Amino acid sequence: GEDVEQSLFLSVREGDSSVINCTYTDSSSTYLYWYKQEPGAGLQLLTYIFSNMDMKQDQRLTVLLNKKDKHLSLRIADTQTGDSAIYFCAESWGRSGGYQKVTFGIGTKLQVIP
Amino acid sequence: EAQVTQNPRYLITVTGKKLTVTCSQNMNHEYMSWYRQDPGLGLRQIYYSMNVEVTDKGDVPEGYKVSRKEKRNFPLILESPSPNQTSLYFCASSPSARPYEQYFGPGTRLTVT
Repeated sequence: GEDVEQSLFLSVREGDSSVINCTYTDSSSTYLYWYKQEPGAGLQLLTYIFSNMDMKQDQRLTVLLNKKDKHLSLRIADTQTGDSAIYFCAESWGRSGGYQKVTFGIGTKLQVIP
Repeated sequence: EAQVTQNPRYLITVTGKKLTVTCSQNMNHEYMSWYRQDPGLGLRQIYYSMNVEVTDKGDVPEGYKVSRKEKRNFPLILESPSPNQTSLYFCASSPSARPYEQYFGPGTRLTVT
């Protein structure tokens, strides 16, 4: 079945770059997503990438997709203490009727040290 | 303000006592979903809805029911809650299927004793 894997924890110093990695198994994925969850809150969509793209940049965020290795990464430049959160990788693919099935990873907890 | 709201935010109940968690969105989204979040398991989809009166099972539907009588509301019903349904529940809505950009509610922490 579909599976999305992430490391559990990442610690970086404020001002450094953070790189959060994710691997997925479904080769028919159409979109891949990064969500952020702050303590006590729901998930917030940060960015997504279509599966025929290699890279997407949005301000401090850079998403890299390696389709051959089924590897997705999220780079956060100039990491700030406000970036401390849990980051979820997710993939979606088409089902009958056009609905997109979504599978989430277990989340990577990013700790930013001042 | 565009948002997904859930009520209640916290609930402690006993085994077998029927409960409903409400979810409402004000963005006119067609797609809505319910998830549960458990430590070490990430988010797992319980049910989803593509439009009014159109619902289907997700990955872990056992013990749950849903309804979608209006576009904005998507309540989650636990007819006979059990302790293994103790979890953090999230409702989400999306304007489209491609991409599936989901907007999440703040979560409902449910404890079943």
